[in-house]
Amino acid sequence: RKEVEQDPGPFNVPEGATVAFNCTYSNSASQSFFWYRQDCRKEPKLLMSVYSSGNEDGRFTAQLNRASQYISLLIRDSKLSDSATYLCVVILNTGGFKTIFGAGTRLFVKA
Amino acid sequence: DAEITQSPRHKITETGRQVTLACHQTWNHNNMFWYRQDLGHGLRLIHYSYGVHDTNKGEVSDGYSVSRSNTEDLPLTLESAASSQTSVYFCASSVGPSREQYFGPGTRLTVT
Repeated sequence: RKEVEQDPGPFNVPEGATVAFNCTYSNSASQSFFWYRQDCRKEPKLLMSVYSSGNEDGRFTAQLNRASQYISLLIRDSKLSDSATYLCVVILNTGGFKTIFGAGTRLFVKA
Repeated sequence: DAEITQSPRHKITETGRQVTLACHQTWNHNNMFWYRQDLGHGLRLIHYSYGVHDTNKGEVSDGYSVSRSNTEDLPLTLESAASSQTSVYFCASSVGPSREQYFGPGTRLTVT
């Protein structure tokens, strides 16, 4: 089982739709959680950190469920510019730190 | 503005040659990382550093080395380039080991 798993998609949604991605992690020592977006042939860019209380940034909402060991990203009112790959990132603390990237979920937003 | 840069952005080299990829950040971050990204594998950690003169191996470190002589730079060296090292290489930095990482624009390396 992979340490961090994401549905690879692709998710094809129309503009204005709401779309949600989940990411599961297997190690209970996971300490920090992030969502990144990556455009084709570009570097990953931080979208948002994920906190236990949940957090929102404009149209984006991230949630963390420690009991079930998953994080989620909700995108409301999708824009064409949201088309990208979304990477789930988990940092473990097992005496030393280890950063694990999910393989990414591909999103296509269509007009 | 503070930033993280990589050079060269594109490189073609021959099998067996030594290649060095540069990474420079102006955030004064102690932590720096090198990843490679290949189709079907996502991002994989090559080496990382938590400060000057500190270096550590990641999950795919064979054939690569790094050195950290100052806070700003973490060059990645391929001792003897192999075709399996054809990839896109990203450098990243963070203010702390459990904090968010910021990525450079990447270097696309082709080994022929």
